[in-house]
Amino acid sequence: EEQLVESGGGLVQPGGSLRLSCSASGFTFSSSAVHWVRQAPGKGLKYVSAINNNGVNTHYAESVKGRFTISRDNSKNTVWLQMSSLRDEDTAMYYCVKEVYYYDNSGLSGQWYFDLWGRGTPVTVSS
Amino acid sequence: QSVLTQPPSVSGAPGQRVTISCTGSSSNIGAGYHVHWYQQVPGAPPKLLIYGNTNRPSGVPDRFSGSKSGTSASLAITGLQAEDEAEYYCQSYDNSLSGSPNWVFGGGTKLTVL
Repeated sequence: EEQLVESGGGLVQPGGSLRLSCSASGFTFSSSAVHWVRQAPGKGLKYVSAINNNGVNTHYAESVKGRFTISRDNSKNTVWLQMSSLRDEDTAMYYCVKEVYYYDNSGLSGQWYFDLWGRGTPVTVSS
Repeated sequence: QSVLTQPPSVSGAPGQRVTISCTGSSSNIGAGYHVHWYQQVPGAPPKLLIYGNTNRPSGVPDRFSGSKSGTSASLAITGLQAEDEAEYYCQSYDNSLSGSPNWVFGGGTKLTVL
């Protein structure tokens, strides 16, 4: 069974740091890009960061650029999200998500969707 | 506010048909990027419901269908059931930020089964 399991969330003071982990199983991890998506309490889903299958390419939402770092180790089937300079507005449930990338019928346009979600790990930034 | 716009809520009686709209712009849905839909029941993570505008993953009932036209997309649910009560999100890709990939979601629509 394909599975993603997040860990590492918790309560941290503003300005503090936290490292989230995402452990994968049941699929060929080294073939898949992975994203972090967060959901603030009572709010919608927001893309946070992404890393391609071999870890060479990383991307960040503008709101976390310069503060968060995504990385992976395919030998451990694990992705991490290092979060620093945390702010109140970073409070959210953080989901690890597996990406599916494909081309549309024209063969010219890449498309992305998320076919597997972890259960999430909660992060609370508060003094 | 979200890049993709959804109605905050919709409702319907059991057995009825409801639709949820997702409105974007020329930098996302209108640029040819596909729309995907997720269902989230309270206390659980989102689950893929529709991918590539119209396709259902294995296990998703054919009561759920998706469509896309121009800068908008829609999710239709027929034969509404109590278990369909959930939050629904659309998702696409937006190319308006130069050099920065940007995966975008709608703000979510709460479906209430009356």
